[in-house]
Amino acid sequence: QSALTQPPSASGSPGQSVTISCTGTSSDVGVYNYVSWYQQHPGKAPKLIIYEVSQRPSGVPDRFSGSKSGNTASLTVSGLQAEDEADYYCTSYAGRTTYVFGTGTKVTVL
Amino acid sequence: QLQLQESGPGLVKSSETLSLTCTVSDGSININPYYWAWIRQAPGKGLEWIGTISYDARTYYNPSLRSRVIMSADTSKKQFSLRLSSVTAADTAVYYCARHPGSASEFDYWGQGTLVTVSS
Repeated sequence: QSALTQPPSASGSPGQSVTISCTGTSSDVGVYNYVSWYQQHPGKAPKLIIYEVSQRPSGVPDRFSGSKSGNTASLTVSGLQAEDEADYYCTSYAGRTTYVFGTGTKVTVL
Repeated sequence: QLQLQESGPGLVKSSETLSLTCTVSDGSININPYYWAWIRQAPGKGLEWIGTISYDARTYYNPSLRSRVIMSADTSKKQFSLRLSSVTAADTAVYYCARHPGSASEFDYWGQGTLVTVSS
């Protein structure tokens, strides 16, 4: 069970969009539509922002969107705001009630 | 509003057993279809799923930790627990408890996390 691969960093100016990839395998991301994304600010617990590839929990702005193609899932943050600067993690169900997290991406708002 | 709170020693000696408890408020832990998880994050590192216990006390562990992990639940106290044996410095991390509303689903509620340091 290897960690899902995310780029270490991503950045954009306020108002721009940034997309983060999350690459797994045919045993996790590629076969299950149970990919979720979490936002984590320094010193805080992660917060769920996307579940089941593209669903947003109540209260999460529609600036956050998710998608998946093959073994790679993606998170797009549109209309970047200063408060979007955080670490972002993906996770995927990997079968038999096991989970694998992504390596994490630090998003910087320039 | 569901709340989860981790508790336990903040310092554990190398080779000993780390024990943590998560207390769930405003909800029972034995209600189908809820599952309860432990997740950790080493300093400056990413998140790692440790294991999950179901509403009916079935357990599932990360294969890389399976030989050292035991999870259990006390439904009367609305608590579930983690025991990690033979700890080393590599087990130093913030440990989070979380809920997932199904066996394959996302982690929708998290505790604030507790730092456990393994000392030599």
